[in-house]
Amino acid sequence: DAKTTQPPSMDCAEGRAANLPCNHSTISGNEYVYWYRQIHSQGPQYIIHGLKNNETNEMASLIITEDRKSSTLILPHATLRDTAVYYCIVRSSNSGGSNYKLTFGKGTLLTVNP
Amino acid sequence: GAVVSQHPSRVICKSGTSVKIECRSLDFQATTMFWYRQFPKQSLMLMATSNEGSKATYEQGVEKDKFLINHASLTLSTLTVTSAHPEDSSFYICSARGDLRTDTQYFGPGTRLTVL
Repeated sequence: DAKTTQPPSMDCAEGRAANLPCNHSTISGNEYVYWYRQIHSQGPQYIIHGLKNNETNEMASLIITEDRKSSTLILPHATLRDTAVYYCIVRSSNSGGSNYKLTFGKGTLLTVNP
Repeated sequence: GAVVSQHPSRVICKSGTSVKIECRSLDFQATTMFWYRQFPKQSLMLMATSNEGSKATYEQGVEKDKFLINHASLTLSTLTVTSAHPEDSSFYICSARGDLRTDTQYFGPGTRLTVL
């Protein structure tokens, strides 16, 4: 699976949009981009994933560049409860058995300030 | 939907004892479950992958005789840390994936293990 690069930390004001970038320049055609977040001392929470098209759900939007080498997770109106480590993960769609893995990097610590 | 639970949430045990952690998918059948470990200020590290009814596949460097994994049903997987030592103290997290939904992994809340 392709590696990802994320900034180690970011700050955002409460109520503003939080835009978290992720570089995945070696992504291949069958690899999805997944986003999870982990609030302190909890298990990771699934946020969103996409392949080529931009995606939106009740939590966030995922913008994937046309060349798919980078993506941005957007939290439209950040709250204090959105303070967490956000992980961008690239995974092959060829799932099955031990080949289905999520490799977690260090992620981005997003701190939402009042 | 897609809720995964773990029990217990915290456990303290003496060195040399064994500890069992349960992971359940509450509203879907999980054909594949995963066990991760996370040390303080570090990221999650995959320990093993288990498929219902078959033996678990362990990642390199993870002792299969020390970390026993059983995935006896489509909704339950257990991790037993045998002969626990203080260095096994960590945050253990399971995740589950079901074929009937997307390939997304859903994670449990984690179990904090402290070995004295």
